[in-house]
Amino acid sequence: AQSVTQPDIHITVSEGASLELRCNYSYGATPYLFWYVQSPGQGLQLLLKYFSGDTLVQGIKGFEAEFKRSQSSFNLRKPSVHWSDAAEYFCAGDSGGGADGLTFGKGTHLIIQP
Amino acid sequence: NAGVTQTPKFQVLKTGQSMTLQCAQDMNHNSMYWYRQDPGMGLRLIYYSASEGTTDKGEVPNGYNVSRLNKREFSLRLESAAPSQTSVYFCASSDPDGRVMNTEAFFGQGTRLTVV
Repeated sequence: AQSVTQPDIHITVSEGASLELRCNYSYGATPYLFWYVQSPGQGLQLLLKYFSGDTLVQGIKGFEAEFKRSQSSFNLRKPSVHWSDAAEYFCAGDSGGGADGLTFGKGTHLIIQP
Repeated sequence: NAGVTQTPKFQVLKTGQSMTLQCAQDMNHNSMYWYRQDPGMGLRLIYYSASEGTTDKGEVPNGYNVSRLNKREFSLRLESAAPSQTSVYFCASSDPDGRVMNTEAFFGQGTRLTVV
């Protein structure tokens, strides 16, 4: 069965430090992959997406993610975090552009220390 | 442009009561979805509608029914609410048509439901 795993439930980083959030996927073929961010009490906002081609994907708010087929990973990175980046981050996969919904990881809660 | 609109934003129900969560999108999307979000569980798909006139079960459909009223609207009904259905519910829409750029899902702001 297809799945998306986020190994870290909580991550704490200092403001200005770099960030990497991990995501691993298990699909029969290369899935479409997404990162969403959810601020407290809000809906989900798309940060970036990968479908094919260039394995380094740029998103909004200074985020990027790298698709690594050999590691079945799609990790999210940011070189310098801001206090406003504190939120819940979700990695999600889609088996191939169909209409049967996304499979989400369980989320990583990002805490920013001053 | 409102995107995906859900009503209500908050609701408290007593066990056994029924209610309908409403969702509407103004992006002319073909596909619509209902997810529930529980702490430590991420988002899990309840039901989806690939196109107007069709609905299908997702990962956790038990205790729910849906109606795709028209292309814009997709409602979720709890016939007899249970405490286990206390959750945050999200509606989403997308427009998958085989073109990869259209698989992005747009989400509503959520409905926080408590069943006591």
